[in-house]
Order: sequence, then structure tokens, then C-alpha cells
Amino acid sequence: GAVVSQHPSRVICKSGTSVKIECRSLDFQATTMFWYRQFPKQSLMLMATSNEGSKATYEQGVEKDKFLINHASLTLSTLTVTSAHPEDSSFYICSPGRQDQDKAFFGQGTRLTVV
Amino acid sequence: QKEVEQNSGPLSVPEGAIASLNCTYSDRGSQSFFWYRQYSGKSPELIMSIYSNGDKEDGRFTAQLNKASQYVSLLIRDSQPSDSATYLCAVIASGGYQKVTFGIGTKLQVIP
Repeated sequence: GAVVSQHPSRVICKSGTSVKIECRSLDFQATTMFWYRQFPKQSLMLMATSNEGSKATYEQGVEKDKFLINHASLTLSTLTVTSAHPEDSSFYICSPGRQDQDKAFFGQGTRLTVV
Repeated sequence: QKEVEQNSGPLSVPEGAIASLNCTYSDRGSQSFFWYRQYSGKSPELIMSIYSNGDKEDGRFTAQLNKASQYVSLLIRDSQPSDSATYLCAVIASGGYQKVTFGIGTKLQVIP
């Protein structure tokens, strides 16, 4: 399977600050990056899909101005949670992909706690 | 209507027993089906994939797919306490890597 590195694994931040999460695809070139979040006792919900070099597509109900996604290269994508609030506390997971891949592989996840 | 449905559990089985996890999906055009295991606080890890009707075995795991019934299951033989986790059913609607839709997951507890 794909080797995916996601950092940080845990972050605690104050309300109103911004947090950046990095996702690196270490052994293949990811033309697409999927960002998911998972609230306690709920399933993974897709937040947005980004293609390398273009703007991300956000799922309904996800604020694009709050969750900034950058996918500038085939091996790196970042998700920035801007002006974080306690309700943004969640488990954020990245999943790199490309058209010839038919399985989902995930980063280690980032547990964000906003206090 | 939920696209991928699972019973959230918990499903409790004694050590050594067979655990049976079930999943139904709504999109009849779905082509790829997966089972992921997720330990608490960790990312999901892929344990089985299945693409055609019938059974697929890998060690203690057997995935079963019935496209006519839109049903996919996972059997875990000789369940171990280390199998205690949440098992996520996932579906991709069409060929190639597309948006993956996950079920809520079934929490499995294997009792020693």
C-alpha cells in the first residue's frame, strides 16, 4: 500500500487561531488528495477533494474559506483550519490518490482539539 | 437514505468464535468494496477488498459480496482480542479512484 505521512498527529490550539496539517505521499505521486474528518462515534466524512495545481472541491456544508487546502505538488497537500473554534475539534485524515488506484490509503490522522 | 449502512454495534463475540459483520449499500452501480479496521484514535487500515460476487479469503478474514442484494460482509474466524476495533465498510461507485463512501462502522468486541 501507499506510504502516507501526516503531521502533526495531535494539536491543541486556542480558539481563533489557525492550524496547518500536512500530508505527504512518500512513495507515489498523488494527483488527487482527499481530506476527511471524523467526529466521535461517527464515520469518516469527506470534506474536500483537491487536484494537484488546481482549486479544491468542497463537499456541501464545508466552508471553503475556513478550511484552506493547498495541493501544490504531487507529494504534498496541506489543510489549514483558519480561526478554529471548539466545534472544529475532530480527527482529520488525508488520503492521497490517483486515477489508476482503486483503494483508499490514509495518513495517520491529526487529532485537533480547539480550546 | 444512507449510502452505506452498517449496524454500529457493539458486536460482542467470545475469543475463538466467528465474527460476522454486515453492510448494505444503495448505489447499484458500485464496483469496489472494502473493509477497513480502525482502532480508537487511529486511521483506518485496509484489511480486505472485493470487486466481484462471491467470497474472497485472506487468512482469518473472508469478504463476501452479493451485488444483486447490494450486500457485503466480513467474516473473522478465530476472533482474537486484538481484533477488537471498529470495522468500516467502504464503497467506490465506479472504476478508478473516486470518492469513497464509508459506513458508520461496526464496533467489534472480542471477549477473552
